[in-house]
Amino acid sequence: SQTIHQWPATLVQPVGSPLSLECTVEGTSNPNLYWYRQAAGRGLQLLFYSVGIGQISSEVPQNLSASRPQDRQFILSSKKLLLSDSGFYLCAWNRGQDYEQYFGPGTRLTVT
Amino acid sequence: AQSVTQLDSHVSVSEGTPVLLRCNYSSSYSPSLFWYVQHPNKGLQLLLKYTSAATLVKGINGFEAEFKKSETSFHLTKPSAHMSDAAEYFCVVGRASSYKLIFGSGTRLLVRP
Repeated sequence: SQTIHQWPATLVQPVGSPLSLECTVEGTSNPNLYWYRQAAGRGLQLLFYSVGIGQISSEVPQNLSASRPQDRQFILSSKKLLLSDSGFYLCAWNRGQDYEQYFGPGTRLTVT
Repeated sequence: AQSVTQLDSHVSVSEGTPVLLRCNYSSSYSPSLFWYVQHPNKGLQLLLKYTSAATLVKGINGFEAEFKKSETSFHLTKPSAHMSDAAEYFCVVGRASSYKLIFGSGTRLLVRP
């Protein structure tokens, strides 16, 4: 069966510090991978998606970037965090021909 | 373009009473529709999905949803609420020409003892 992991689970970082969140998927190959942000009391905003190694598409311009160094690894980064980067970050995956996505447990990021 | 509208931001029910969470969709083609549930500080879990087979879809934990094309609705129901059902529920439609999802704004379900 497939599983998706995210770490860390929680993170508190000062403004201006760098960020690296990691997501890995087990039990499947060549998944589509997604990063979402969920601000407090709001819905999900798609940030990035990837259909293969090194292939990253950005949905919204922002202070963040994403990379996919391996088939089942997806990384969300920032060089300098802003207060507005606070939120709950979710990674998800699906198979190339399916709509339904499977979500990881999320990372709670607080920028102080 | 596809979209979903969740008609209630909050729904409150008593334990043991029926649950109804309302969702309307907009789509120019036969949509793929989903309901996801999110418990506090957790990821999203798929409850059920509609992909143009049976119009009444049964999901996990006793939930079901009915696709009504004439009403462009995909409401989520459960005959009897449990305390553990308290969570946020998202109605979701698949975006045409991609395999991305469009999320509704969510409905927070409160279950009273």
